[in-house]
Amino acid sequence: AQSVSQHNHHVILSEAASLELGCNYSYGGTVNLFWYVQYPGQHLQLLLKYFSGDPLVKGIKGFEAEFIKSKFSFNLRKPSVQWSDTAEYFCAVTAGGTSYGKLTFGQGTILTVHP
Amino acid sequence: NAGVTQTPKFRVLKTGQSMTLLCAQDMNHEYMYWYRQDPGMGLRLIHYSVGEGTTAKGEVPDGYNVSRLKKQNFLLGLESAAPSQTSVYFCASILRGLSTDTQYFGPGTRLTVL
Repeated sequence: AQSVSQHNHHVILSEAASLELGCNYSYGGTVNLFWYVQYPGQHLQLLLKYFSGDPLVKGIKGFEAEFIKSKFSFNLRKPSVQWSDTAEYFCAVTAGGTSYGKLTFGQGTILTVHP
Repeated sequence: NAGVTQTPKFRVLKTGQSMTLLCAQDMNHEYMYWYRQDPGMGLRLIHYSVGEGTTAKGEVPDGYNVSRLKKQNFLLGLESAAPSQTSVYFCASILRGLSTDTQYFGPGTRLTVL
């Protein structure tokens, strides 16, 4: 079974600072990778996803993530954060093939951006 | 097109009481899922369904039952609630069940068991 680890529980930044959130997964086969965001009081929304092709994936709101297969990592980045990026961020994976789309989530990283 | 909706939004139960959470989607999605979200643990899969009339266990199924009598609805039941089931419950759905599909989430139900 696959597992996902997000190393940062809570990240605090000032506006305009750069962001990188770590995500590592454990699985021996093909995986598909996702980053979801949950703004305060709201449901989860997809930021970006990777399943093949260019390992650098661009998502909504200026976010991007890089899949490094050799490191089993899929870190999320943003060059300059805004106060409105304050949210909880979840990395998730599905196993390729017959996984019925089941997501395995990391523990989540709370991002607080100060104006 | 309302997407994925959940009823109720909030609920407080006493230990031993029962309740049913309703998830509804209007996107004609085949697959539906129930997750629970607990601080520091992310979301964990409780049960899922690959189509009308089918259900399967996820990672943390104990204490929960589910039913998918209609394609658009996925019900999560707690027969005898326990304080350990205090959590936020999210329903999600996807169109075909492919591992590359994006899951669409409902707004969540916050459940407190006293």
